[in-house]
Amino acid sequence: EPEVTQTPSHQVTQMGQEVILRCVPISNHLYFYWYRQILGQKVEFLVSFYNNEISEKSEIFDDQFSVERPDGSNFTLKIRSTKLEDSAMYFCASNRQGANTGELFFGEGSRLTVL
Amino acid sequence: AQSVTQLGSHVSVSEGALVLLRCNYSSSVPPYLFWYVQYPNQGLQLLLKYTTGATLVEGINGFEAEFKKSETSFHLTKPSAHMSDAAEYFCAVSDRGAGTALIFGKGTTLSVSS
Repeated sequence: EPEVTQTPSHQVTQMGQEVILRCVPISNHLYFYWYRQILGQKVEFLVSFYNNEISEKSEIFDDQFSVERPDGSNFTLKIRSTKLEDSAMYFCASNRQGANTGELFFGEGSRLTVL
Repeated sequence: AQSVTQLGSHVSVSEGALVLLRCNYSSSVPPYLFWYVQYPNQGLQLLLKYTTGATLVEGINGFEAEFKKSETSFHLTKPSAHMSDAAEYFCAVSDRGAGTALIFGKGTTLSVSS
């Protein structure tokens, strides 16, 4: 069964460093998402991406964040200069029709620890 | 703005007992409603969803949820808990009128004891 894969599963970085989290969505999906979950808190929406551009973003997704689909398979989240409060589990998700009509398929997450 | 409230961050039941996980939402338009489950060290997996039609929705692993518009609720139930049901459960809402983001609740950890 096709699945969303994320790498790395865990990354530890120093404050101020750049981090890139990678995701391979399901191959025939058209909509891509990043969510994050700070330990003990709710899963928060960061950004959605469709047709090679951001379709929606939350207030969390500030200038320190960017997303890219550099090729036909990968979907990346870059944090330009990490802060302590960026420590969280980051989930990538994808689907064919958009979240308000269809199921989102989530990856297993990438845990980011900022020291 | 949409929001989701899950009452009880932690629910403990005995094996064979009824499972009830509560979810209330607020939305300016009739929403789409979802329950996701997260097993340890795994991603989020869809349990069930309500979009239109019958308000009682059946999902995987014997779970079901009922959309009650008058109560703005979408509680998740299972008649008989199994040890394998121990996981984190998230209720989510999507505004069917616009946007593509799912808004999640804080999650409820379900523990099942033998």
